[in-house]
Amino acid sequence: DTGVSQNPRHKITKRGQNVTFRCDPISEHNRLYWYRQTLGQGPEFLTYFQNEAQLEKSRLLSDRFSAERPKGSFSTLEIQRTEQGDSAMYLCASSPSQGAPSYNEQFFGPGTRLTVL
Amino acid sequence: QKEVEQNSGPLSVPEGAIASLNCTYSDRGSQSFFWYRQYSGKSPELIMFIYSNGDKEDGRFTAQLNKASQYVSLLIRDSQPSDSATYLCAVNADDKIIFGKGTRLHILP
Repeated sequence: DTGVSQNPRHKITKRGQNVTFRCDPISEHNRLYWYRQTLGQGPEFLTYFQNEAQLEKSRLLSDRFSAERPKGSFSTLEIQRTEQGDSAMYLCASSPSQGAPSYNEQFFGPGTRLTVL
Repeated sequence: QKEVEQNSGPLSVPEGAIASLNCTYSDRGSQSFFWYRQYSGKSPELIMFIYSNGDKEDGRFTAQLNKASQYVSLLIRDSQPSDSATYLCAVNADDKIIFGKGTRLHILP
């Protein structure tokens, strides 16, 4: 399977704990995006990377959130001191580089569902 | 604030009929427009994209774009029960995509 993969698929944690999610994009894609989706809403943009550079962060991304893509391949999203309001589906998507036929398209992974108790 | 607006539904359509889903967007500079299908508990799946004014057809799906009216639509012909899902309209904003809240579509057998 050469699609976007995310791990874990589900995470249940207690309030105040730290959690880390991983995303492996499609191998030839140099752009990687993180979104958060809650029930009844569309995906909300959190941040994105072009290769290893983090180019934009949403105002939704508080200081408790940090994302990395150290070698321009996989990415991690860490949430520190989780709160119940962090419960959501965290989606990762990737896109190919400029000039590729599907440059503007984003391909989503299966998501990580976070439940904060 | 760049926005994408959709009627949340649910939109109920008899099997075999045409389902019509609509979306408006606020940023006149947007160049790329997408329709994603999302089944409950699953991630969004790209089903159509359109860049130019007019219609684009792919199988039972037709996307329509009117940049002057800032309006995008998706028509699904010969609706099937498997088309029951939430349909997300999305618009590019610089290097990222802004999603609407989605329209829930229910195909009645």
